Amino acid sequence: EAEVAQSPRYKITEKSQAVAFWCDPISGHATLYWYRQILGQGPELLVQFQDESVVDDSQLPKDRFSAERLKGVDSTLKIQPAELGDSAMYLCASSPGTGSSGANVLTFGAGSRLTVL
Amino acid sequence: GENVEQHPSTLSVQEGDSAVIKCTYSDSASNYFPWYKQELGKRPQLIIDIRSNVGEKKDQRIAVTLNKTAKHFSLHITETQPEDSAVYFCAASSGRVDMRFGAGTRLTVKP
Repeated sequence: EAEVAQSPRYKITEKSQAVAFWCDPISGHATLYWYRQILGQGPELLVQFQDESVVDDSQLPKDRFSAERLKGVDSTLKIQPAELGDSAMYLCASSPGTGSSGANVLTFGAGSRLTVL
Repeated sequence: GENVEQHPSTLSVQEGDSAVIKCTYSDSASNYFPWYKQELGKRPQLIIDIRSNVGEKKDQRIAVTLNKTAKHFSLHITETQPEDSAVYFCAASSGRVDMRFGAGTRLTVKP
């Protein structure tokens, strides 16, 4: 079964340091999402890509967060500098994209758990 | 953008009873409504979804109903089992952008 790959699974860092997360979506999926999930809450959309283009980053704290998907395949989410409140699970998801069967059916990766000390 | 509210935040039922979780959405353009189950420490997994052209969908013990006029949809689990214990999330999407999630419902099924 095709999976969304994420790394690292766990990251512990000190505040003010830079962190980066990587996501490889299911092959052929045009749409890629980054969500942040704080313990006990629902996933919060940070950024959504359609191929290499950002279609929604309204909830991304752009002063410290950045995301890219340069070739429309894998993606990187960066935080610099990290703050204590950034401790959360960062989930990547992908979907086939508009015009495809099951266009917006999301498949999640296992997530990257960030702890900021 | 879309705003999804989910109730209750916690739900405890006896094994064999039914469980109902309700969600409301704000964007009338939303046309796709999935439900995800997340077990402790694991990724959310899609369990059922419904599109706006139908009012109800059923898959064995789970069903989802949609009321477009009132902008709410519900998850129904019948004959609950201990393995149904998890956090359940509803979501809503207009199809191109804004897959927004509710805050989640922690379901506990007591044997």
